[in-house]
Amino acid sequence: NAGVTQTPKFQVLKTGQSMTLQCAQDMNHEYMSWYRQDPGMGLRLIHYSVGAGITDQGEVPNGYNVSRSTTEDFPLRLLSAAPSQTSVYFCASNLLGSGGTEAFFGQGTRLTVV
Amino acid sequence: AQTVTQSQPEMSVQEAETVTLSCTYDTSESDYYLFWYKQPPSRQMILVIRQEAYKQQNATENRFSVNFQKAAKSFSLKISDSQLGDAAMYFCAYRSAIWNAGNNRKLIWGLGTSLAVNP
Repeated sequence: NAGVTQTPKFQVLKTGQSMTLQCAQDMNHEYMSWYRQDPGMGLRLIHYSVGAGITDQGEVPNGYNVSRSTTEDFPLRLLSAAPSQTSVYFCASNLLGSGGTEAFFGQGTRLTVV
Repeated sequence: AQTVTQSQPEMSVQEAETVTLSCTYDTSESDYYLFWYKQPPSRQMILVIRQEAYKQQNATENRFSVNFQKAAKSFSLKISDSQLGDAAMYFCAYRSAIWNAGNNRKLIWGLGTSLAVNP
């Protein structure tokens, strides 16, 4: 009963480096998403996916790429890290369709770009 | 566009007492869902309670209950018999129930209320 597994929990990057935040869920949820959490800004949607092979941009997509090759995995890629990407990142998954189903969250990744 | 406002950045409560956290939202939609999430120092986002807008009855989960006032667009969270483990950030969130190419699963968040529980 793992739910949403997000790795790593902490990461320090140098400006210009690239990295991938991993996210996997074992609940067969169609919908997966990435948020970033910043003080005074709340949580903002970066990218989301409604199923394998389908992704779309959220509110703050610049500097991030995603892909969805399987239902289970939804990695977030930082192509060239910038200090403005210092944040806490959350992956979440939902069932699609009607209904107020809850979003299940990973444990978050605290990313620092120096 | 929908917005969610939490007007209390910080609150405190004595252990065993009751506290109410405020949340207001703005929307032109008639069908939506509202959530309260708890974020303890571990960072994990935990669903506390959920309310469907079409239901008049206020949701309740053990010591947690909401006061949902649809006309006033208000969704407050009441925590009864507060415990030390209730200390956390609490976020109010909105989600449309209108199907929109999958983006109806987007959560719109308030900025949170930091709750301290004093022994």
